[in-house]
Amino acid sequence: GDSVTQMEGPVTLSEEAFLTINCTYTATGYPSLFWYVQYPGEGLQLLLKATKADDKGSNKGFEATYRKETTSFHLEKGSVQVSDSAVYFCALVSGGYQKVTFGIGTKLQVIP
Amino acid sequence: EAQVTQNPRYLITVTGKKLTVTCSQNMNHEYMSWYRQDPGLGLRQIYYSMNVEVTDKGDVPEGYKVSRKEKRNFPLILESPSPNQTSLYFCASSLLTSSNEQFFGPGTRLTVL
Repeated sequence: GDSVTQMEGPVTLSEEAFLTINCTYTATGYPSLFWYVQYPGEGLQLLLKATKADDKGSNKGFEATYRKETTSFHLEKGSVQVSDSAVYFCALVSGGYQKVTFGIGTKLQVIP
Repeated sequence: EAQVTQNPRYLITVTGKKLTVTCSQNMNHEYMSWYRQDPGLGLRQIYYSMNVEVTDKGDVPEGYKVSRKEKRNFPLILESPSPNQTSLYFCASSLLTSSNEQFFGPGTRLTVL
């Protein structure tokens, strides 16, 4: 079946540091890929998405590129802020059944 | 305001006492889903529904039931809760497209004693 692999963390960075959170996947066909963010005490919200190979999703300074050859969708940000502290989930949707598969989530802590 | 609402937000109950967690969305979405979130396991899908009267099992359906009698509502039913169902539950909805963004509710924290 489909699967998404990401590190659990926590990832601890100083403010203004560069962020990379790796995400790799296995899926049948050509999935759509997503990054969701969960701030403390809240539900998940969409951060960015990409629906086909070589697409780049971007939002709030975050970027991720759909790499079919490496089955990856790594999340990057050039300069993190304390307000970026949250849990980040990589996810995919594949096939006609709209079944969504999430990674385990990566906790990011940004310290001043 | 477009939103997904869940009730209750917090619930403490005892083993075997039937309970229902309600979920409602006002965005006319066809697709609705329930997830549970557990430390070290991330989000796991319990059940999903692609339209009224159409439901299907996710990855961890055991011990849960759902119904979709109306498009906007998708209640999660635990007929005989057990302590291993203590978790944080999220309802989500989306349009039924290949690039569907899921809209999540605020979560229900359930404790089964």
